[in-house]
Amino acid sequence: AQSVTQPDIHITVSEGASLELRCNYSYGATPYLFWYVQSPGQGLQLLLKYFSGDTLVQGIKGFEAEFKRSQSSFNLRKPSVHWSDAAEYFCAVGSFSGGYNKLIFGAGTRLAVHP
Amino acid sequence: DAGVTQSPTHLIKTRGQHVTLRCSPISGHKSVSWYQQVLGQGPQFIFQYYEKEERGRGNFPDRFSARQFPNYSSELNVNALLLGDSALYLCASSLAQYEQYFGPGTRLTVT
Repeated sequence: AQSVTQPDIHITVSEGASLELRCNYSYGATPYLFWYVQSPGQGLQLLLKYFSGDTLVQGIKGFEAEFKRSQSSFNLRKPSVHWSDAAEYFCAVGSFSGGYNKLIFGAGTRLAVHP
Repeated sequence: DAGVTQSPTHLIKTRGQHVTLRCSPISGHKSVSWYQQVLGQGPQFIFQYYEKEERGRGNFPDRFSARQFPNYSSELNVNALLLGDSALYLCASSLAQYEQYFGPGTRLTVT
């Protein structure tokens, strides 16, 4: 079955430190992968996406992610975290079956940033 | 450009009641999807509509229904509300396959 696992429920980093959020997926075909960010009480904002090609993708707000097929991973990274990055981050895989597409989300990783 | 809009922002209902949530997609987007996000979890797919037709449905009971109008806006209806229906309901619109843009959501509380 298609699924997304985010192993870390909660991560705390200091402002200015580097960040890596882990994501592992289970999908039979070539996956379409996404990272979304959700601030408290808000909807989801698309940070970046991977469809094909270069396995290192750049997104908004200085984030990047690397697709590693051999590890079924799509980890999100940022070299220097800002206090405003505190939010919940969701990894998702696009699933196409039965003539429609949907996103399958992980449970999310909540990021706290210490000053 | 206006993003996806949803109304109302918050809603409080009593068990057994009915609720209607509304969504307007980004201009030019013909596909609308609905997701339910229970506190502490990732969003779960409920429906997808394209060109006013239901294209897909997630694992939700028949109490959940939706429709899409000629202007591509959409309504999500939930009948006979249960406490477990309390959640953030997210609407997403898309132009290209898979790339979905989300609205701010409607927070439904069932008491």
